[in-house]
Amino acid sequence: QSALTQPPSASGSPGQSVTISCTGTSSDVGAYNYVSWYQQLPGKSPKLLIFEVTQRPSGVPDRFSGSKSGNTASLTVSGLQAEDAADYYCSSYAGSNIYVFGTGTKVTVL
Amino acid sequence: ELQLVETGGGLIQPGGSLRLSCEASGVTVRTNYMSWVRQGPGQGLEWVSTIYNGGTYYADSVKGRFTISSDISKNMVFLQMSSLRAEDTAVYYCARRLYGGYDYWGQGTLVTVSS
Repeated sequence: QSALTQPPSASGSPGQSVTISCTGTSSDVGAYNYVSWYQQLPGKSPKLLIFEVTQRPSGVPDRFSGSKSGNTASLTVSGLQAEDAADYYCSSYAGSNIYVFGTGTKVTVL
Repeated sequence: ELQLVETGGGLIQPGGSLRLSCEASGVTVRTNYMSWVRQGPGQGLEWVSTIYNGGTYYADSVKGRFTISSDISKNMVFLQMSSLRAEDTAVYYCARRLYGGYDYWGQGTLVTVSS
């Protein structure tokens, strides 16, 4: 049950796009289409942005999109806004009702 | 509106025990995957445990020390924690899992393990 690997930080100017990677193994990210992404604002509970690799819950802007290739999943934030400054976490199913989270990425809007 | 409210956190000495509670409204715990996820100070999220349809699942880091349970009549989920260690210090969130994603989270309850 090792954590998925994310870059510690990412940044972009308003209006630009930023992509965050989430690297796992053939036993988690590579094996299942149950990758999800979360946004956590300071002092707040995480908020679900993406589930099942590409699906957005109701109310999440389409500026947020997800994808997966092999053992690596990605979250892209397009049209970056000041309010997107937050910590982002990925998560993947790892079989046997076990889930693993990523190490987290702090996004800065320049 | 679905709401999850955690209680029971506090300061506990190493080796001690604590029980966290999660009161659910707007969702039936009996028919949903209910989980505990924790976040250490300045750290990332860590899945701890899940309960669903009588089945219970645990992260290796807490297996044998933590027990998840539910009370259907009260629509609540619990996390009994024993043999607590300093590394168990964290905010503990109760969350509902749906389609592989945790779509509802409580506000969290802080557990501090320290002498």
